[in-house]
Amino acid sequence: QSALTQPASVSGSPGQSITISCTGTSSDVGGYNYVSWYQQHPGKAPKLMIYEVSNRPSGVSNRFSGSKSGNTASLTISGLQAEDEADYYCSSYASSSTLVFGGGTKLTVL
Amino acid sequence: EVQLVESGGGLVQPGGSLRLSCAASGFTFSNYWMSWVRQAPGKGLEWVANIKQDGSEKYYVDSVKGRFTISRDNAYNSLYLQVNSLRPEDTAVYYCARGGRTTVTYWGQGTLVTVSS
Repeated sequence: QSALTQPASVSGSPGQSITISCTGTSSDVGGYNYVSWYQQHPGKAPKLMIYEVSNRPSGVSNRFSGSKSGNTASLTISGLQAEDEADYYCSSYASSSTLVFGGGTKLTVL
Repeated sequence: EVQLVESGGGLVQPGGSLRLSCAASGFTFSNYWMSWVRQAPGKGLEWVANIKQDGSEKYYVDSVKGRFTISRDNAYNSLYLQVNSLRPEDTAVYYCARGGRTTVTYWGQGTLVTVSS
């Protein structure tokens, strides 16, 4: 039940694209297509942005996209906007019906 | 509209106990896995426990096994977390969450548990 590995911080200018990585093992990220991404603004509850690697829930902007290669999943945000500034967390199914989260990445919009 | 409203948090001494509750509405509660996820102050998210729709399966993160118990009452659309033998490192906001086996689709606003003497 080790946490997934994310970069502590990423930054980008408005209009640019950024990618956040989420690295696990073959027992979690690499073994299942159950990677999710969440956005959390300060003092607020997290919000689901991507599920099952690349699916967007209804109402989430198509500027958010997800992918996976091997043991690493990625969240890409295109056309960065000021309101995208937040913390982002990945999660993965990790066998035996357990879930594991990444350590979180702080996105700064310059 | 999906709503998850937690209650029961507070200040407790090390070794103490609390019972966290979550009132769910806006969806058919009995159709979903439910979970508790916590977030220590200034830290990341940590999955704590989940429970199957009928309560027949329950899973926990290693650090809380034997101390925390998740349960649900589908008749009252409610989720619970009994937290015993609390430690300072259990200090966190505890979120009630819909799902939590493969993903969390909705989150409550959380209830703060502070373990301190």
